[in-house]
Amino acid sequence: DTGVSQDPRHKITKRGQNVTFRCDPISEHNRLYWYRQTLGQGPEFLTYFQNEAQLEKSRLLSDRFSAERPKGSFSTLEIQRTEQGDSAMYLCASSPGEAGTDTQYFGPGTRLTVL
Amino acid sequence: KNQVEQSPQSLIILEGKNCTLQCNYTVSPFSNLRWYKQDTGRGPVSLTIMTFSENTKSNGRYTATLDADTKQSSLHITASQLSDSASYICVVRASGAGSYQLTFGKGTKLSVIP
Repeated sequence: DTGVSQDPRHKITKRGQNVTFRCDPISEHNRLYWYRQTLGQGPEFLTYFQNEAQLEKSRLLSDRFSAERPKGSFSTLEIQRTEQGDSAMYLCASSPGEAGTDTQYFGPGTRLTVL
Repeated sequence: KNQVEQSPQSLIILEGKNCTLQCNYTVSPFSNLRWYKQDTGRGPVSLTIMTFSENTKSNGRYTATLDADTKQSSLHITASQLSDSASYICVVRASGAGSYQLTFGKGTKLSVIP
């Protein structure tokens, strides 16, 4: 399977704990995106990488959230001191970085439940 | 503020019937509009993409239309199948310098029943 993969698929944690999610994009895609999606809503943009550079961050990305893409390949999203409001599906997407109609390919998501 | 509004919020149809989903947007300046299909518990998958100059785009039983003047799009599904049950999300991209500017709708949840 050469699509976008995410790990883990599900995560249950207690409030106050730290969690880390991983995303492996499609090979040679130089753009990588993180989104958050709550039930009944569309995905909300969190942050975006062009290779290893984090170029844009949403105001939704509080200081408890940090994302990295150290070698321009896989990315991690860490949430520190989780809160119940962090419960959501966290989606990762990658794209080739073509001008104009740059298609984003989404992974299956990581569903986070904070108790 | 850039916004994408979709209607209806949910829809139930019988297998074999047709349906049309609506999308209104206020994203400006406009670059392109996509419809994504999202199965429950999965990531969204792109169905169609339309730029400013395109009025209609088909992908199998899915036909998307775009009226850039009224800032409206529709997704028409013909001869629905049980596997069409999913959320359909309208996504509009703004043009402009720099990187990333996508606005997502909340989606229409379609249920196809036998």
